[in-house]
Amino acid sequence: GQQLNQSPQSMFIQEGEDVSMNCTSSSIFNTWLWYKQDPGEGPVLLIALYKAGELTSNGRLTAQFGITRKDSFLNISASIPSDVGIYFCAGLPYTGTASKLTFGTGTRLQVTL
Amino acid sequence: DSGVTQTPKHLITATGQRVTLRCSPRSGDLSVYWYQQSLDQGLQFLIHYYNGEERAKGNILERFSAQQFPDLHSELNLSSLELGDSALYFCASSVTPRPSGGYNEQFFGPGTRLTVL
Repeated sequence: GQQLNQSPQSMFIQEGEDVSMNCTSSSIFNTWLWYKQDPGEGPVLLIALYKAGELTSNGRLTAQFGITRKDSFLNISASIPSDVGIYFCAGLPYTGTASKLTFGTGTRLQVTL
Repeated sequence: DSGVTQTPKHLITATGQRVTLRCSPRSGDLSVYWYQQSLDQGLQFLIHYYNGEERAKGNILERFSAQQFPDLHSELNLSSLELGDSALYFCASSVTPRPSGGYNEQFFGPGTRLTVL
């Protein structure tokens, strides 16, 4: 099935550093979502984006809906140990049912003290 | 805790067997979604049920089937299991789909880890 290309695949950073990750698609999406998955748990929604160019924050997290509708970005500022986990982008296609979320390949984040 | 429950948490079985995974949505949610998460395929949408009726199908194999019961819980049946079916299976639930097709947040359960030996 289709997957969104997410990069980087993994990151090792130090506590306090800022983190950036992105997600790209060959097709247009009308909604972009960012999820975090902790070990042994299901994904949890962090941020939802509904409009091209939109910039939305949730605490130390900021995400942007790309102008082309084919990409999205997530930034985490001043990382802390509990930011460890796998971050997934997900998109809803421009047309069709809202059921069919397409997920990215994930970015595994590890934070060292 | 998302409010979505899944049982069992772990399941180990042999090739050729059949298993049933169970999901209880959040109170009040009418939609249930099933996803498969494997190492090589990532998180893939399988199927969506709304109030007992199938609404959308994704990459679901013919060997797999699902249903949603009147009490809104859902079951995913996997038959003739193969080694490649080993994965985490997630259920998610959300409120009534929007007529415009917009996104309603899906709340994911903790998953069932299936191992096929």
